[in-house]
Amino acid sequence: GAVVSQHPSRVICKSGTSVKIECRSLDFQATTMFWYRQFPKQSLMLMATSNEGSKATYEQGVEKDKFLINHASLTLSTLTVTSAHPEDSSFYICSARSGQENSPLHFGNGTRLTVT
Amino acid sequence: GQNIDQPTEMTATEGAIVQINCTYQTSGFNGLFWYQQHAGEAPTFLSYNVLDGLEEKGRFSSFLSRSKGYSYLLLKELQMKDSASYLCAPMDSNYQLIWGAGTKLIIKP
Repeated sequence: GAVVSQHPSRVICKSGTSVKIECRSLDFQATTMFWYRQFPKQSLMLMATSNEGSKATYEQGVEKDKFLINHASLTLSTLTVTSAHPEDSSFYICSARSGQENSPLHFGNGTRLTVT
Repeated sequence: GQNIDQPTEMTATEGAIVQINCTYQTSGFNGLFWYQQHAGEAPTFLSYNVLDGLEEKGRFSSFLSRSKGYSYLLLKELQMKDSASYLCAPMDSNYQLIWGAGTKLIIKP
């Protein structure tokens, strides 16, 4: 149980275009989902907390107008990287909890974004 | 501030035992998680400790001492597939996970 599906797994796009990443909880409802970014050999960095039916909460230094988050249902959150630049190339991972606040985070498989 | 200290890299031999240590400082504490992350993949959950002591789960065990701000992950009967990064992630008073860069474990035949 507690499966999180993320799509696409890899995407290559040109500078200036937008990319949408989907995150779905397959067998549980997730009122809250978390979006992370990870650069090579570095720690996971929380970008934002996605709340179903309300605005996302962004971490300090993360541009909300650049990283658009939509959490329209209890099983789907999307992250759109707008006007992507090469420095946005990274590994983006979503996660969710299937239980209480101290229950484990379950991660999607991640999306490797390369901006050329 | 909040921080985590783990060795950057460790090497062990197939079939042996390895212990990965983690010390942490957080604002409040709601337990500590260990995750495994293979290169290029997302983390997968290994264990959770909220009370002091040892939690055993198959070949993997995790220990916590809250008073010392210390945890370790013990891996027994090492297999080549155990080559991965191991992330120690304490949870603060706001139920936020604090992530370090993890320990890269290299298993040699």
